[in-house]
Amino acid sequence: KNQVEQSPQSLIILEGKNCTLQCNYTVSPFSNLRWYKQDTGRGPVSLTIMTFSENTKSNGRYTATLDADTKQSSLHITASQLSDSASYICVVSGYPYNQGGKLIFGQGTELSVKP
Amino acid sequence: SQTIHQWPATLVQPVGSPLSLECTVEGTSNPNLYWYRQAAGRGLQLLFYSVGIGQISSEVPQNLSASRPQDRQFILSSKKLLLSDSGFYLCAWMSRETHTQYFGPGTRLTVL
Repeated sequence: KNQVEQSPQSLIILEGKNCTLQCNYTVSPFSNLRWYKQDTGRGPVSLTIMTFSENTKSNGRYTATLDADTKQSSLHITASQLSDSASYICVVSGYPYNQGGKLIFGQGTELSVKP
Repeated sequence: SQTIHQWPATLVQPVGSPLSLECTVEGTSNPNLYWYRQAAGRGLQLLFYSVGIGQISSEVPQNLSASRPQDRQFILSSKKLLLSDSGFYLCAWMSRETHTQYFGPGTRLTVL
């Protein structure tokens, strides 16, 4: 069964600190993995996307890693800011675009950055 | 640039009433389109997707339906709402080039 599992479920950190979110997936065949950020009451916004041949991708203070052998990914946030408070969702794609391009979503990690 | 619109932003409906949520995309042609529902504190659940006009695939059996009358218009409907239909409804389109899904602002539906 195709699944994406994220940990921790929630996380509280102080402003300025770093944190790392984890994602394990069992999706086959695997096409790519993305991390989305979802602010409360808003639609998710894509942060990074990686194919199986890429093992790291950065977007400002966000750095995602991918180990396709162990089927694990992480999202590292550096020097956290209050605006980083959001739900971070790991999403895996195993379906080609012309077959619907369906995505498999994790449950998300709820990050709260405190001053 | 591409833009995705959803309306209304919020909706409060009584049980048993009909529903119509609309989603439109600008700046792209023949996109894949998707409807998701997100219950409070839960992940996104794919409801329907469409790869072209009039082509609808349903992921979860329920009292909801979807239609795509035009290339960049996607409509989510129900004839009779249930309490369990409450949630945050998101429309998305997928870029053929990047295979990234871009989400709309969402509709918060409360069924009383």
